[in-house]
Amino acid sequence: KAGVTQTPRYLIKTRGQQVTLSCSPISGHRSVSWYQQTPGQGLQFLFEYFSETQRNKGNFPGRFSGRQFSNSRSEMNVSTLELGDSALYLCASSTRQGAEETQYFGPGTRLLVL
Amino acid sequence: AQSVTQLDSQVPVFEEAPVELRCNYSSSVSVYLFWYVQYPNQGLQLLLKYLSGSTLVKGINGFEAEFNKSQTSFHLRKPSVHISDTAEYFCAVIMNSGYSTLTFGKGTMLLVSP
Repeated sequence: KAGVTQTPRYLIKTRGQQVTLSCSPISGHRSVSWYQQTPGQGLQFLFEYFSETQRNKGNFPGRFSGRQFSNSRSEMNVSTLELGDSALYLCASSTRQGAEETQYFGPGTRLLVL
Repeated sequence: AQSVTQLDSQVPVFEEAPVELRCNYSSSVSVYLFWYVQYPNQGLQLLLKYLSGSTLVKGINGFEAEFNKSQTSFHLRKPSVHISDTAEYFCAVIMNSGYSTLTFGKGTMLLVSP
């Protein structure tokens, strides 16, 4: 099976712009989670989706949003970009929701905000 | 709320030496415990997880970890490391709440030299 894919892999934006990142989970996986990784804050949870519904949300401002489609693909959007949004954004998928389900991570999208 | 502390930000070790990466957690409810590895420019890969049962968990690449409930620890060990084990290692927990949300430690960089 193909792994989790994320597009694009690298992205450069300027302050004030918006950006959309995409995640395609492993075939058959219905749960998708997003994480932000920065040198200062480490790995922080953004959202969790299951069957097109947001099940859990991390402590991020409303500029961060996401959605999941009927084919389980997910997108996250960041509006009005700030310099501090520069990070590696990781997507993870699992068969179902729940702690016992192994989450498989994609390679991430590296976003640089200038 | 739960938290994860990885006591060492960097662990240098010589090839073929044993290594232990330390992880302590704090939670008011029962948790599941995980260790992930991140190689440069890649996503996270699951090494091992503890859900229940035997407190000694064996994972991939010769790694193992021991869950110690009284000390709230989940230290990762390998009896003999290779150059290829050089990577960043993350300890993480999920609350036994039905969600899949991982709370990560800050990571430990394992540096293996010849």
